[in-house]
Amino acid sequence: GQQLNQSPQSMFIQEGEDVSMNCTSSSIFNTWLWYKQDPGEGPVLLIALYKAGELTSNGRLTAQFGITRKDSFLNISASIPSDVGIYFCAGRPIQGAQKLVFGQGTRLTINP
Amino acid sequence: DTEVTQTPKHLVMGMTNKKSLKCEQHMGHRAMYWYKQKAKKPPELMFVYSYEKLSINESVPSRFSPECPNSSLLNLHLHALQPEDSALYLCASSRADGSSGNTIYFGEGSWLTVV
Repeated sequence: GQQLNQSPQSMFIQEGEDVSMNCTSSSIFNTWLWYKQDPGEGPVLLIALYKAGELTSNGRLTAQFGITRKDSFLNISASIPSDVGIYFCAGRPIQGAQKLVFGQGTRLTINP
Repeated sequence: DTEVTQTPKHLVMGMTNKKSLKCEQHMGHRAMYWYKQKAKKPPELMFVYSYEKLSINESVPSRFSPECPNSSLLNLHLHALQPEDSALYLCASSRADGSSGNTIYFGEGSWLTVV
């Protein structure tokens, strides 16, 4: 089946640092979604990307839909303690659009 | 705040019990989903309902039985579960037309423990 390679798997940073994570695929997607999940909670949508090349910001978060439609990145600027959690990328394939394909997640830990 | 509401938040059940998980959304979405998530793993798709009809069953064991009574409600009936079925069960919804802009929104999940 389709897979998304999400990296890094984990990050340990100092408060105030910038964060960057990305997802790549061998298949084309028509939507990229970035979620954050806190322990014991469901994934919360951070940013949705619908067009190749699209660059979208949500506060300190910025994400881009790659031109090739096979990759996406998420940047977090000036990290704060509440940014701790697991970040998942997810892509909607062109065929079988109801089946989101998830990355394996990036676990973000912040040292105050 | 999520607009997909799941109950109960926590459920402990024995292997011979029958229980149900419930999900409700009022966003006018016509596609609803059940996902299963184990610790430190991404969500895994179980079922998809589109316009109240089951459109995808990812080869889920029959001890899990989904039901979509109307466009706002989704249930997951549980019977004769195994301890390995313990997980976070996530409900989600989206528009059903499959077009771009078709974002999936998740509920807060129901933690299930099978003893």
